[in-house]
Amino acid sequence: AQTVTQSQPEMSVQEAETVTLSCTYDTSESDYYLFWYKQPPSRQMILVIRQEAYKQQNATENRFSVNFQKAAKSFSLKISDSQLGDAAMYFCAYSFMYSGGGADGLTFGKGTHLIIQP
Amino acid sequence: EPEVTQTPSHQVTQMGQEVILRCVPISNHLYFYWYRQILGQKVEFLVSFYNNEISEKSEIFDDQFSVERPDGSNFTLKIRSTKLEDSAMYFCASFEAEQPSSYEQYFGPGTRLTVT
Repeated sequence: AQTVTQSQPEMSVQEAETVTLSCTYDTSESDYYLFWYKQPPSRQMILVIRQEAYKQQNATENRFSVNFQKAAKSFSLKISDSQLGDAAMYFCAYSFMYSGGGADGLTFGKGTHLIIQP
Repeated sequence: EPEVTQTPSHQVTQMGQEVILRCVPISNHLYFYWYRQILGQKVEFLVSFYNNEISEKSEIFDDQFSVERPDGSNFTLKIRSTKLEDSAMYFCASFEAEQPSSYEQYFGPGTRLTVT
């Protein structure tokens, strides 16, 4: 069974600074997807960024980027120029994609609570 | 932009009662999912549904749970006899599949279930 581990229950960063959230996972599959979801106090799940395992290039979305180390099964999220609106719970998630389309349910980590200090 | 909708936003029920949580997935999506998040904990996968049958289910999804797509738009989660520990936020999600333009499960806003 796949597992996702987020070892940082809480992180704090000054506004405009950079912060990195850690995530490791365990799987025997070679083709899968990894995601970072943001959950603000409203509890809506918002996709931040995704990474396809077959791609060596790290995904980037504006101020958000990942460091994907497939051999180490590591998938960290870097947030640059942190803003007050970034304050939320961040969940790392894994999903296996079927070759014919479709996807397993997501396996989530326990989350990291990100605090932005003004 | 298309979105997943869920009703009700908040449901309060008494222990032992049956509840039905409703979801309307994005119209051209083919895979549907239910997740649960107990307050302060991680999001947990319950079940996936494809082609009018369960594709995968977790160990949480026991006999008290059932899912159904009663018509062409709704996707429901039924809890037959609710327990106090069923109190949680329940999220519905949908996925395009079959040459998806985006490998993303789109989440609804959730239904907060409170069992008293």
